[in-house]
Amino acid sequence: ETGVTQSPTHLIKTRGQQVTLRCSSQSGHNTVSWYQQALGQGPQFIFQYYREEENGRGNFPPRFSGLQFPNYSSELNVNALELDDSALYLCASSQRSSGANVLTFGAGSRLTVL
Amino acid sequence: EDQVTQSPEALRLQEGESSSLNCSYTVSGLRGLFWYRQDPGKGPEFLFTLYSAGEEKEKERLKATLTKKESFLHITAPKPEDSATYLCAVQGTGGYNKLIFGAGTRLAVHP
Repeated sequence: ETGVTQSPTHLIKTRGQQVTLRCSSQSGHNTVSWYQQALGQGPQFIFQYYREEENGRGNFPPRFSGLQFPNYSSELNVNALELDDSALYLCASSQRSSGANVLTFGAGSRLTVL
Repeated sequence: EDQVTQSPEALRLQEGESSSLNCSYTVSGLRGLFWYRQDPGKGPEFLFTLYSAGEEKEKERLKATLTKKESFLHITAPKPEDSATYLCAVQGTGGYNKLIFGAGTRLAVHP
């Protein structure tokens, strides 16, 4: 059973640029969520995708967008980067059910905005 | 608004010195309370899910308990390899399975 894999692991961008982060879900999972984790803080929910549609969104502006593909992999896109976007971006996959859903996290993509 | 508060922010223990981490939460309908472990530069690693008050779960030196307002993660006779940040999160019944995380407790266990 493969876990959640994310790429790239580290990247540096300048303010105003755009970035795309990628995620492959754990085998058997159909839901992907993205979280932002600032240094010393807990992860914050950005949005979730299920059946290739956005299924819930946290308090993030529209310049944060995403995609889910038929194989359940996903992308997070951030436009017009700001300094405060520097963080660890975590992808998590899960199998949607009516009960509590355990999320499996990837190792994250560390984004630095200069 | 769903909220999670963890204390203490940081904890330093000697090897073998047992202690507890606290997670206070408010949520409009609890689907589950989760504990994760996070090592530096890595993603959170799942430890436990608790569903209802009174429930307890154990794994090696860790034991998690749940009340209607709090959860505790008890660490018995910790070892240096238990050093990590421990994150608590709640999942509410609000229609999709997002997690609301606390800021975590950074645990350092010294030999």
